[in-house]
Amino acid sequence: DTAVSQTPKYLVTQMGNDKSIKCEQNLGHDTMYWYKQDSKKFLKIMFSYNNKELIINETVPNRFSPKSPDKAHLNLHINSLELGDSAVYFCASSYRAEAFFGQGTRLTVV
Amino acid sequence: GQQVMQIPQYQHVQEGEDFTTYCNSSTTLSNIQWYKQRPGGHPVFLIQLVKSGEVKKQKRLTFQFGEAKKNSSLHITATQTTDVGTYFCAGGGRGSTLGRLYFGRGTQLTVWP
Repeated sequence: DTAVSQTPKYLVTQMGNDKSIKCEQNLGHDTMYWYKQDSKKFLKIMFSYNNKELIINETVPNRFSPKSPDKAHLNLHINSLELGDSAVYFCASSYRAEAFFGQGTRLTVV
Repeated sequence: GQQVMQIPQYQHVQEGEDFTTYCNSSTTLSNIQWYKQRPGGHPVFLIQLVKSGEVKKQKRLTFQFGEAKKNSSLHITATQTTDVGTYFCAGGGRGSTLGRLYFGRGTQLTVWP
């Protein structure tokens, strides 16, 4: 069983569209994250939720909205996609220490 | 804000040579974690260091946490082609930033056979 799974793995879409990425973890962790990795491999935290509550909200455009229906799920919705949103988005979960990452979603905006 | 600087950004070595990547934080960290990301893959946890001056080894990998808990290093002895990937350090925040992980920019390691 995959510990942290996110879908889809690849997403190609046109500018201006709205899209969602889903993430689920079966590790029983309380904390989940969204990270954005650009073409130069820089991992930037976007959001963190602890037990469905938003605890970290870095400087991210309002077009990005996370939603955590329960502590095992953290979805990311993106409105009005822009070319600069193209990146790999990683979901992760943790309990006090190490973070477990999902396989990533490669988003390409054309 | 808190920053974790990591150098070098790229390192190319011949198989058998040693490799080291360094991390420095602008503030004292609660812990330091190291991750490895293979090309096309996702970051995978390697180790966590918590104590001041701590040194841990995993086979050919040696991890150090500085006395002031502001810097860390990862050293690989006699690199192999399987070591290829990007190595990230991630510093754990303290106080008001407890629970946050501040990732360095990573060091991309290439190993020539």
